[in-house]
Amino acid sequence: ETGVTQTPRHLVMGMTNKKSLKCEQHLGHNAMYWYKQSAKKPLELMFVYNFKEQTENNSVPSRFSPECPNSSHLFLHLHTLQPEDSALYLCASSRLGGGGANVLTFGAGSRLTVL
Amino acid sequence: GENVEQHPSTLSVQEGDSAVIKCTYSDSASNYFPWYKQELGKRPQLIIDIRSNVGEKKDQRIAVTLNKTAKHFSLHITETQPEDSAVYFCAAIRSGGGSYIPTFGRGTSLIVHP
Repeated sequence: ETGVTQTPRHLVMGMTNKKSLKCEQHLGHNAMYWYKQSAKKPLELMFVYNFKEQTENNSVPSRFSPECPNSSHLFLHLHTLQPEDSALYLCASSRLGGGGANVLTFGAGSRLTVL
Repeated sequence: GENVEQHPSTLSVQEGDSAVIKCTYSDSASNYFPWYKQELGKRPQLIIDIRSNVGEKKDQRIAVTLNKTAKHFSLHITETQPEDSAVYFCAAIRSGGGSYIPTFGRGTSLIVHP
């Protein structure tokens, strides 16, 4: 384990369901990210939290709702999804500040299938 | 904002051959360029990176070169092995100020045939 843990690893849900993805990091990082990875598409940044404050919302539909209760935990709440939302959702974390480079550490991802 | 172009999208080589993946970036203020490797079904992992004050960096069979003037950087893998088969992503970041969020390339699927 790299220190970024995502659960569940696989999720199948109907379009009317409500579910949540969870991400936890034990690296002492202060920034957390949600990325969407679809087949044959680049990594799409969805949300960024810097010191628990959301700093980026990359025009993501409101059916995706992030929550960052503290700098170690990040959630992605899902409701009324569409089949095209089926993808691998990757969480990442990094340590900002201190003059160093912003190196992202990724979780293993949550594979979401929307029926 | 930053724009990163990555080529080729797919690269097929024979075991033992070299592989080169190229990326270009648009923001001259970008100063940090990591490369990530994502094996099938696994997470992207940092394999090598380079800062803008360095022109080349090498780690065993992999090396990265940077041309700041032309705004392009490349990943070189020598003596490829089947376990090098993966998707490789380049990224550009302006560390130390402004936007700190990496801009990723679209990825290159490298296939190494035994």
